Amino acid sequence: DAKTTQPNSMESNEEEPVHLPCNHSTISGTDYIHWYRQLPSQGPEYVIHGLTSNVNNRMASLAIAEDRKSSTLILHRATLRDAAVYYCIPSVRDKIIFGKGTRLHILP
Amino acid sequence: NAGVTQTPKFRILKIGQSMTLQCTQDMNHNYMYWYRQDPGMGLKLIYYSVGAGITDKGEVPNGYNVSRSTTEDFPLRLELAAPSQTSVYFCASRRQGLLNTEAFFGQGTRLTVV
Repeated sequence: DAKTTQPNSMESNEEEPVHLPCNHSTISGTDYIHWYRQLPSQGPEYVIHGLTSNVNNRMASLAIAEDRKSSTLILHRATLRDAAVYYCIPSVRDKIIFGKGTRLHILP
Repeated sequence: NAGVTQTPKFRILKIGQSMTLQCTQDMNHNYMYWYRQDPGMGLKLIYYSVGAGITDKGEVPNGYNVSRSTTEDFPLRLELAAPSQTSVYFCASRRQGLLNTEAFFGQGTRLTVV
C-alpha cells in the first residue's frame, strides 16, 4: 500500500476555498487516488477519485500532480457542513486502508 | 434503496459475552468490509470479503470472526468481549472493479464492553 502524508489539521473560513494536500510518493502507476470524508458521528463517505487528470464533481475537485506523487482536494466554497476528517487513500485494491486524515475546521 | 444497514446501532456487553454485529447491503456489491474506530482515532480494517464464501484478515482481526454465506450479508462475531473492543464499528461495501469504485458505509454500531 502506498504511504500517505496529510496534515493533522487545517482551518478555513466559511465560504472560502480550501486546499487539502496529500503526499503519496510511493503510489504505483495504476492506483487511483481516492478521497473520503467523515462527518462527526457518521460513517465515512466517498468524495472523489482520480488517476492522472484533474477531476471535478458536485462535492469537490481533485488536482493531481504530474508525477502523481501528490494530490490536492479542493473545496471551492467551504461551508460549516464541510467540517470533517478528510482521508486521502492512494491505493484501493481488495482492501481499503485509512490513514489518520486531516481534520478540517471551518470558522464561521 | 437502503444501501448498507447495520444493526444494532448501540449495544452494551459485559466482559466475556458474545454477540454478532449485523451488516447487510442491497446493492449487490461483491466487496464488504468491517472497520473499528476508537475514540478520536482513524478507522482500522478488521476483516474484508471479496465475495460470498471468501473472507480475509485486515489490520486488527484478533478477537473477531466473520462469515460471508450470501452476497448481501457480512456479520461480525465477537466471541469473548473485552473492554479493548469498546469502539464504533462500521461496515462498508463496494462493487467489483478494484481500482476505481467507491465504498458505501453504514451508520455504525457503537459497542461498549463493561
